[in-house]
Amino acid sequence: AQSVTQPDIHITVSEGASLELRCNYSYGATPYLFWYVQSPGQGLQLLLKYFSGDTLVQGIKGFEAEFKRSQSSFNLRKPSVHWSDAAEYFCAVYNTNAGKSTFGDGTTLTVKP
Amino acid sequence: EAQVTQNPRYLITVTGKKLTVTCSQNMNHEYMSWYRQDPGLGLRQIYYSMNVEVTDKGDVPEGYKVSRKEKRNFPLILESPSPNQTSLYFCASSPRPLTTGFFGPGTRLTVL
Repeated sequence: AQSVTQPDIHITVSEGASLELRCNYSYGATPYLFWYVQSPGQGLQLLLKYFSGDTLVQGIKGFEAEFKRSQSSFNLRKPSVHWSDAAEYFCAVYNTNAGKSTFGDGTTLTVKP
Repeated sequence: EAQVTQNPRYLITVTGKKLTVTCSQNMNHEYMSWYRQDPGLGLRQIYYSMNVEVTDKGDVPEGYKVSRKEKRNFPLILESPSPNQTSLYFCASSPRPLTTGFFGPGTRLTVL
């Protein structure tokens, strides 16, 4: 069965500092991996996704993620965080049928001024 | 405007009273999906549909039904709601699986 673990429930960073949100997955084949962001009271917005090819994926809002098969990880990064990045972030894996999806429990990001 | 709409946005009901939450998209998307979101549990997929008349179970289908009679609509049916189905529900659609997904605004359901 596929699963996703986001080890950090809550992360606080200062504005302008770098950010890394961790995501570990479990899946028997090549995974399809996604990162979403959810602002308070809002729905989810897709940040980026990985299917195959280049393991470093660029997304919207200056985010990037790196797929590391050996570590079963797909960590999200941003070099300089803005106050507007405060939100909840979800990592997700989709199976190769591309229908069934599993989300992590989410990481809440707080940005200090 | 491209969008996914859900109705109602808020609903308070009582145990056992059948209800339907509608989801509609105006983008001619093939793929649609329902999720529930609970604090500390992230989003859990209830059902998904790859196309009209094609539906399949996600991780937490118990107590829910869906139908996909037309491409644009994907209603979520709770035949006999129970308090443990109190949650925030999201509908999502995309042109095909794995392409950019559009999420609806959410439906907050309380079952007393």
